[in-house]
Amino acid sequence: EAQVTQNPRYLITVTGKKLTVTCSQNMNHEYMSWYRQDPGLGLRQIYYSMNVEVTDKGDVPEGYKVSRKEKRNFPLILESPSPNQTSLYFCATTGGRGYNEQFFGPGTRLTVL
Amino acid sequence: KQEVTQIPAALSVPEGENLVLNCSFTDSAIYNLQWFRQDPGKGLTSLLLIQSSQREQTSGRLNASLDKSSGRSTLYIAASQPGDSATYLCACQGGSEKLVFGKGTKLTVNP
Repeated sequence: EAQVTQNPRYLITVTGKKLTVTCSQNMNHEYMSWYRQDPGLGLRQIYYSMNVEVTDKGDVPEGYKVSRKEKRNFPLILESPSPNQTSLYFCATTGGRGYNEQFFGPGTRLTVL
Repeated sequence: KQEVTQIPAALSVPEGENLVLNCSFTDSAIYNLQWFRQDPGKGLTSLLLIQSSQREQTSGRLNASLDKSSGRSTLYIAASQPGDSATYLCACQGGSEKLVFGKGTKLTVNP
């Protein structure tokens, strides 16, 4: 079964404590990305990766890092989380080439106190 | 810069009604348009994908249309059911595979 998994699903943390949200896909897709969803602002892209070792900034990259060492994994790293990063985070993947459906993970609800 | 607008922001209808959700976008240079469903606090479920060269796609009671020249897409839901209650999001895909989302239409179907 085609799947995008994210962990953890829920996380409450404190300002400044580094955290990583993992994302993994089993579809052998080259393209992966991260979005955050906020009330009134909708979904916005944070970072994306076109392939292993290739990453680039989306619309709201400040305060986030990513890495793509393996095709299936695309972790989102918050080095020093702040309360304005409290949000619902989604990982997404697609086969690429502009014509394929995008698949989303179940989401990670992050609260930074 | 692509902007996607969905109107109305919320819609409440009685069960059995046929309804149309609207999506408009400012840049017609898109590869495809995708409609998603999101239940409260949950992830996004893909409903329909329309390629830029297509005019419509159908899946069960759902039909999505695309008019690139006018920057519009509609999602038609036939014979609505309470289980259709959710937020519906449309998203345009341009270069670099990025999806630009509308803010969604929250649909409530009343029994």
